[in-house]
Amino acid sequence: AQSVTQLDSHVSVSEGTPVLLRCNYSSSYSPSLFWYVQHPNKGLQLLLKYTSAATLVKGINGFEAEFKKSETSFHLTKPSAHMSDAAEYFCVVSYYNQGGKLIFGQGTELSVKP
Amino acid sequence: EAGVTQFPSHSVIEKGQTVTLRCDPISGHDNLYWYRRVMGKEIKFLLHFVKESKQDESGMPNNRFLAERTGGTYSTLKVQPAELEDSGVYFCASSPQGASLSYNEQFFGPGTRLTVL
Repeated sequence: AQSVTQLDSHVSVSEGTPVLLRCNYSSSYSPSLFWYVQHPNKGLQLLLKYTSAATLVKGINGFEAEFKKSETSFHLTKPSAHMSDAAEYFCVVSYYNQGGKLIFGQGTELSVKP
Repeated sequence: EAGVTQFPSHSVIEKGQTVTLRCDPISGHDNLYWYRRVMGKEIKFLLHFVKESKQDESGMPNNRFLAERTGGTYSTLKVQPAELEDSGVYFCASSPQGASLSYNEQFFGPGTRLTVL
C-alpha cells in the first residue's frame, strides 16, 4: 500500500538552530512529493513540492527538502528556526494516475523555543 | 483573490442528527477535494470532484456521507445520521485543471471542526 511516514510526531528546537523534519514514503511508482504547513486556525499552506525535476527543492520561508530515491526519503530542513515556524508540518505524496488525491503523513508538530 | 472558504468553522451536534458542511473553492478551480482528519490520525482523502462530477469517491467511509457540487461551484458534504466516530476536522481543497493533477498544488480551506456528542 502507498503510504507516507513522518518519523517524528513532535520536534522541538531553539530559535536560530537548524530544523530537520523527517519523511519516508513507500511506493513502486515515481511520486510527486509535497510539504504542507498548518498554523493554528489556518488552512494548510504549500511549503514546497518535488515533481521529478531537481532533487533539491527550495520552498517558502527558507525551507528546503531533498528527494532521495535510494532512501525513499524527502526530509524537510531549514538552517535557522524562527518563532513563526512553530506549526504542524505534513509530508504528502501524490501519484500521476490517481487524479491528484493526496496521501498524508501523520504530521509533525514543530515547537520553537526562544 | 479569495481563498477556499468553509462553513461553518465549528459544528457541535448530537449523535443521530444531520449536519451539512459547505466549501467554496477558488473561483475557476475545476477540481475540488474533501479530506478528513479524525483525532490522532492522519488527514485522509474522501472524494474528488471535477466540476460537478464525482471523479473519485473511494475515500467516503459509508453511505451516511453524501457530497454534492451544484453547478460545479460550491460543494456540500452532508452527514446523516451523524455518529460519534464522524468527529474530526473536514478540509476542502481546490486546484485548477492541469495536464497532471498529481503535480498541482491544492489550496486548502481552514477546515470545519465537527464534534458529535
